[in-house]
Amino acid sequence: GEDVEQSLFLSVREGDSSVINCTYTDSSSTYLYWYKQEPGAGLQLLTYIFSNMDMKQDQRLTVLLNKKDKHLSLRIADTQTGDSAIYFCAEIWSGNTGKLIFGQGTTLQVKP
Amino acid sequence: DTEVTQTPKHLVMGMTNKKSLKCEQHMGHRAMYWYKQKAKKPPELMFVYSYEKLSINESVPSRFSPECPNSSLLNLHLHALQPEDSALYLCASSQVGTSGKNEQFFGPGTRLTVL
Repeated sequence: GEDVEQSLFLSVREGDSSVINCTYTDSSSTYLYWYKQEPGAGLQLLTYIFSNMDMKQDQRLTVLLNKKDKHLSLRIADTQTGDSAIYFCAEIWSGNTGKLIFGQGTTLQVKP
Repeated sequence: DTEVTQTPKHLVMGMTNKKSLKCEQHMGHRAMYWYKQKAKKPPELMFVYSYEKLSINESVPSRFSPECPNSSLLNLHLHALQPEDSALYLCASSQVGTSGKNEQFFGPGTRLTVL
C-alpha cells in the first residue's frame, strides 16, 4: 500500500531548531523527498535522501532516515520566520514510475 | 533556466466554458506531470507524460484532457468542469532515468475557480 504520514502542525520560536517527522510504508522506496510550500505558491524541492543513507546535511537542513522503522525527519537549524510554510515529505511509489506519494504536510509556524 | 512556468496564474470559469492551462520548462526534462491540490491537502497526481507520451492517468474524469505537444510544453484542456474541480493545478517536470531518483520541479500553479 501507499501511505505517508506526518504530524499536521509545529510551532517554534525564531532561532530554535525545528524537527518535522514523517513515516512511510513502502519499504522499496529508493528516494525520499522533502518539499516546502509557501502560501499561494508551488512546491519547492528542498532536499532528498537515498535509501542507503542514514543522514544527509545541506546547510541548515539535516535529513535523518531510519529505514528499519520507515521514519524520516527534517531538522531545520536556526529556524527563521521565512521558514514558515507547509513541509511535505514524499516517497516514490514503487508500483508506478514517477508517482510521488505525499504526506499530509506539516505546517511550520515560526514565532518571532 | 531552472524554472517551470505556468499560465495563467488565476482562472475563473463557468461550468460551460472551455479553457486551457499551460506549462513550460526548458530544463531538458522528458517527464511532465499534472497535479491537483485542494486547500490544506497534499498534491494529487493526475497525469504523467514520459517522452511526450501519456504514461499515467490516475482515473481522471474526461472533462480534463491533457496534451503534450512537445518536450517543453504541457497543456491541460478543461471542459464542462464542476465547482468541486476548483483547486490549485500544479505542473511539474523531471528527468527520466533508471536510478529511481525522481526530482520533480514544480511550477507556481494555476488557481482555478469554477462557478
